[in-house]
Amino acid sequence: GQQLNQSPQSMFIQEGEDVSMNCTSSSIFNTWLWYKQDPGEGPVLLIALYKAGELTSNGRLTAQFGITRKDSFLNISASIPSDVGIYFCAGQFTSGSRLTFGEGTQLTVNP
Amino acid sequence: DVKVTQSSRYLVKRTGEKVFLECVQDMDHENMFWYRQDPGLGLRLIYFSYDVKMKEKGDIPEGYSVSREKKERFSLILESASTNQTSMYLCASSSGRREQYFGPGTRLTVT
Repeated sequence: GQQLNQSPQSMFIQEGEDVSMNCTSSSIFNTWLWYKQDPGEGPVLLIALYKAGELTSNGRLTAQFGITRKDSFLNISASIPSDVGIYFCAGQFTSGSRLTFGEGTQLTVNP
Repeated sequence: DVKVTQSSRYLVKRTGEKVFLECVQDMDHENMFWYRQDPGLGLRLIYFSYDVKMKEKGDIPEGYSVSREKKERFSLILESASTNQTSMYLCASSSGRREQYFGPGTRLTVT
């Protein structure tokens, strides 16, 4: 099936540092979503992007929908220990359809 | 707030047992989804439903069936559980052209 390439696979950073991760696809998506998953829990929606070029913030998180509609990035500024978890990107081809997920970025924040 | 609940957080079953995993959402969403999540394999779609009594196969439907008798409830059924079905099972729902919201997950162990 369709693949999303998410990078990096893992990151080890110090508290206070900024973080950037991205997803790329060989196909065009109409929607990009970013989720965070804590250990043993379900993914929680962080940011939803619906238009090419859209830049959206949610607190210390900022995400952008790439102009080509084939990529998206997520930035976290001034990381804190509770940012630890797995971050997933997901793309949606058409509204209301199934999602294609990236493999996740495991973020570790050292105090 | 959207709320997706799953009947059990942890479940242990024996090989050959019939297993029911229940998912309920309280936001009148039309779409509901069942995924399984395994280390290194990411989130994989098992089945989804766009309406009551309607179901569509995802990427890995073998060994599973589903039931959607009411709009708010989507059940995943393992007809005869096997050890390779040990996994984290995640339910999600969405409305029309909107993002998916996930439940907390059910960690199923088949012995």
